[in-house]
Amino acid sequence: KAGVTQTPRYLIKTRGQQVTLSCSPISGHRSVSWYQQTPGQGLQFLFEYFSETQRNKGNFPGRFSGRQFSNSRSEMNVSTLELGDSALYLCASSRDRGETETQYFGPGTRLLVL
Amino acid sequence: AQSVTQLGSHVSVSEGALVLLRCNYSSSVPPYLFWYVQYPNQGLQLLLKYTSAATLVKGINGFEAEFKKSETSFHLTKPSAHMSDAAEYFCAVSTTGGGNKLTFGTGTQLKVEL
Repeated sequence: KAGVTQTPRYLIKTRGQQVTLSCSPISGHRSVSWYQQTPGQGLQFLFEYFSETQRNKGNFPGRFSGRQFSNSRSEMNVSTLELGDSALYLCASSRDRGETETQYFGPGTRLLVL
Repeated sequence: AQSVTQLGSHVSVSEGALVLLRCNYSSSVPPYLFWYVQYPNQGLQLLLKYTSAATLVKGINGFEAEFKKSETSFHLTKPSAHMSDAAEYFCAVSTTGGGNKLTFGTGTQLKVEL
């Protein structure tokens, strides 16, 4: 069974641009969550999608948004990029929604903002 | 709000020695606790999770952790370290009503020396 895939793996953008990252969950998984990983702030929860609806949101500005499609694939978008948005963005999928669900992480998309 | 604290951002052990990585949690409701491992340039891989079924949890690669409510701890151990265990380890917590949202500790970098 294929794991969680994220595209692209690496991305370089300049300040003020916008970016869209994609996540394909494991087949049969309906929940997708996104995390930002930086050396300074560590791993921080961005948002969670289930059945095409955002179920939970972390403490990030409105420049960060996401969506989920009917096939459970998810995208996240960051508008008006800032230098501080440089990070590894991780996507995780799970079969269902719940506090004890095992989440499977993708390899991440490394975003560099210049 | 729930949180986890990982004591020691860097831990160094000799090959064959005991591995002990510390995690303490803070939660006003019963927590569900996870340990993840991250190898360079990769996503997170679940080692084990505590979901209240048993206080001693065995995971992959010979790791185990014990949930101690009286000490609010969930330390990760492995009897004998192997060179391949060198990686960064993250403790995480979720709670009832939080859906799939994980709150991570700051991570512990494990170094294994010959």
